[in-house]
Amino acid sequence: QKEVEQDPGPLSVPEGAIVSLNCTYSNSAFQYFMWYRQYSRKGPELLMYTYSSGNKEDGRFTAQVDKSSKYISLFIRDSQPSDSATYLCAMTFTGGGNKLTFGTGTQLKVEL
Amino acid sequence: EAGVAQSPRYKIIEKRQSVAFWCNPISGHATLYWYQQILGQGPKLLIQFQNNGVVDDSQLPKDRFSAERLKGVDSTLKIQPAKLEDSAVYLCASSFATDTQYFGPGTRLTVL
Repeated sequence: QKEVEQDPGPLSVPEGAIVSLNCTYSNSAFQYFMWYRQYSRKGPELLMYTYSSGNKEDGRFTAQVDKSSKYISLFIRDSQPSDSATYLCAMTFTGGGNKLTFGTGTQLKVEL
Repeated sequence: EAGVAQSPRYKIIEKRQSVAFWCNPISGHATLYWYQQILGQGPKLLIQFQNNGVVDDSQLPKDRFSAERLKGVDSTLKIQPAKLEDSAVYLCASSFATDTQYFGPGTRLTVL
């Protein structure tokens, strides 16, 4: 079993839809949770960063962490064609030396 | 501020040949990471440097992979000899201590 599981998609939605992306994990030591966005032939870029459980909102993006269920989510409101990319969840823990464990990524396509 | 620079962007070699990748991190970032991203998977950490010292190389296949970071700035990752399964994107990232990791565009390696 992988430490971090993520549905690879692809996920195709119409413009303006609400998108829900999810990851589950098995290591209860994870405390810091990130979402990276990766455009084709580019490196990942940090989108959202949360610590422990709860919600965090930034514009059209909301990150949600449920540590009791070992489940994290990223919601994208009013999705745009420019949101088409691969979304990677990543996580680490205190004392982990900033070593990130990534999910496999979910490929998202927002269509006009 | 200039981002993480990597070269070459693409490389095609035959199995058993050797190859080297170069990374220039963001100025002032003491921590440098090399990741391997196989198609359809998330990045996997190969090696982490703090200045010019190795922090974590537990997932580096040391029989064929080597990396160095002389003078605590630029870094090179070498594969010798390459195998077919080494075909992947090699991502370099840097961070200020254990802060947010910033990724370069990656080097796409194809081993024939």
